[in-house]
Amino acid sequence: GQQLNQSPQSMFIQEGEDVSMNCTSSSIFNTWLWYKQEPGEGPVLLIALYKAGELTSNGRLTAQFGITRKDSFLNISASIPSDVGIYFCAGQSPNNAGNMLTFGGGTRLMVKP
Amino acid sequence: EAEVAQSPRYKITEKSQAVAFWCDPISGHATLYWYRQILGQGPELLVQFQDESVVDDSQLPKDRFSAERLKGVDSTLKIQPAELGDSAMYLCASSPRTGGLETQYFGPGTRLLVL
Repeated sequence: GQQLNQSPQSMFIQEGEDVSMNCTSSSIFNTWLWYKQEPGEGPVLLIALYKAGELTSNGRLTAQFGITRKDSFLNISASIPSDVGIYFCAGQSPNNAGNMLTFGGGTRLMVKP
Repeated sequence: EAEVAQSPRYKITEKSQAVAFWCDPISGHATLYWYRQILGQGPELLVQFQDESVVDDSQLPKDRFSAERLKGVDSTLKIQPAELGDSAMYLCASSPRTGGLETQYFGPGTRLLVL
């Protein structure tokens, strides 16, 4: 089945630094989504990308939908302690029933004050 | 802001026992999903409903797992009997309709520990 490779698996950075993470796939997706998950909670949607090449920002977060439709990246600028969590990419493509979401393995972000 | 509700938040059970999880999607959302998330991994789809109908349960271990959404609103996921390997977070998500690439909104999850 479809698989998403997300990297890095974890990052430990100093407050104020910029962060970059990415996802690659062997399959094409029609939509890329980036979620953040905090301990004991469900994933919360950060950014949704709907077109190849699209670059979208949400505050300090910026994400891009790769031209090949097989990859996406997420950047966080000027990190702060509340950015701590696990970031998941997800690719979305129509299945027979509707839309199917495939998740990457996550990037665990730790920020040192 | 409307949210997906799940209960219980935590469940501890012994293997061979039956467990059930409940989900109430965002009002008006026709599509409901159950995911399983093993610690350290991303969520994996178990079953997808469109209204009251199951439209994708290809990844649901049907020998022990069952899911229903009788009135097309809230849903129940059951495991009987539970096994040690079922320990995970069970997430419910909903989206407005199917057929399009609608964004899925997740509930807080039920964390299951099987002893």
